Amino acid sequence: SQTIHQWPATLVQPVGSPLSLECTVEGTSNPNLYWYRQAAGRGLQLLFYSVGIGQISSEVPQNLSASRPQDRQFILSSKKLLLSDSGFYLCAWSPPDREGYGYTFGSGTRLTVV
Amino acid sequence: KNQVEQSPQSLIILEGKNCTLQCNYTVSPFSNLRWYKQDTGRGPVSLTIMTFSENTKSNGRYTATLDADTKQSSLHITASQLSDSASYICVVRGRKAAGNKLTFGGGTRVLVKP
Repeated sequence: SQTIHQWPATLVQPVGSPLSLECTVEGTSNPNLYWYRQAAGRGLQLLFYSVGIGQISSEVPQNLSASRPQDRQFILSSKKLLLSDSGFYLCAWSPPDREGYGYTFGSGTRLTVV
Repeated sequence: KNQVEQSPQSLIILEGKNCTLQCNYTVSPFSNLRWYKQDTGRGPVSLTIMTFSENTKSNGRYTATLDADTKQSSLHITASQLSDSASYICVVRGRKAAGNKLTFGGGTRVLVKP
């Protein structure tokens, strides 16, 4: 069965510090991978998605970047965090070329920038 | 512009009672609609997925309905339990013409009281 792992669960970082959140998927090949951010009381916003190694699409201009160094690994990074980067970050995956299939989300990372 | 509106924003119900959550969308052309349950501080978990041709789908005490003509969906929770306390998110996916994108509703926060 497929599983998705996301870590850390919580993170408190000072303004200006770097960020690295990691997400890995097991039990599948060539998944579509996504990073979402959820602000308090608001809906999920798609930040990045990837359909393959090294292929990253950005949905919104921001202070963050994403990388996919391996087929089932997706990393969210920042060189210098801003206060506005605080939020709940979710990684998700879906099978390739299956339009009707549901997305599976990771357990999330609560990032607080102080 | 693709939008998904959920109502109410929040509701409180007594344990054992039923409740219905609403989702209205403008995504077109439409591919499918999902309802997710998100416990506080966790990632969303899929409850139901419905395509254009499906009018109703059940998952235990959760029953989702879809009227693709009026672009409305509902999620009915029967005999609520304390563990039903969570946010419920309606997510609509557009077809390729709409960019295969997911549009998330802001969610309905449900609190079940004993």
